Amino acid sequence: AQSVSQHNHHVILSEAASLELGCNYSYGGTVNLFWYVQYPGQHLQLLLKYFSGDPLVKGIKGFEAEFIKSKFSFNLRKPSVQWSDTAEYFCAVKARTGYSTLTFGKGTMLLVSP
Amino acid sequence: KAGVTQTPRYLIKTRGQQVTLSCSPISGHRSVSWYQQTPGQGLQFLFEYFSETQRNKGNFPGRFSGRQFSNSRSEMNVSTLELGDSALYLCASSSNGNTDTQYFGPGTRLTVL
Repeated sequence: AQSVSQHNHHVILSEAASLELGCNYSYGGTVNLFWYVQYPGQHLQLLLKYFSGDPLVKGIKGFEAEFIKSKFSFNLRKPSVQWSDTAEYFCAVKARTGYSTLTFGKGTMLLVSP
Repeated sequence: KAGVTQTPRYLIKTRGQQVTLSCSPISGHRSVSWYQQTPGQGLQFLFEYFSETQRNKGNFPGRFSGRQFSNSRSEMNVSTLELGDSALYLCASSSNGNTDTQYFGPGTRLTVL
């Protein structure tokens, strides 16, 4: 079974600072990778996903993530955060064999101060 | 397209009662998955249904059950509620549930007193 580890539970940044949220997974086979975001009072939304191809994927609102297969990592980045990026961010992995389940990390709460 | 809808949005129950939550997937989606979200445990997978069949089940006691109807709508039931069942219950739908993306509903906030 796969598992996901998110390095930071809480991150506090000032507006315009750069963001990098770490995500590592454990699974020996091929996976699909996702970042979801949950803004305060809103439901879980897809930020970006990686299935195959270019390991650098771009998502909504200026976010991007890089899949590094050798490191089993899928870190989320944004060059300059805004106050509106305050939210909880979840990394998730789904094995591409059989009927696997979507496994989430514990989440990282990002607080951006204006 | 309308998104995933869940009803009710909020529910308060007492210990020992049972509860049924409902989920309507995005039109055309045949897979519905359920998750429990709590501050301590994060998002934990409950079960997945595809074409009215349970395809996967998480590590939850038998008090948690679900079903899917021919129109892909799904319900989950929790019997003999415990205080620890208080959580946000999320439903997600996808077209085939296997290799594609899951889209989440707003959740049902269940409080057990």
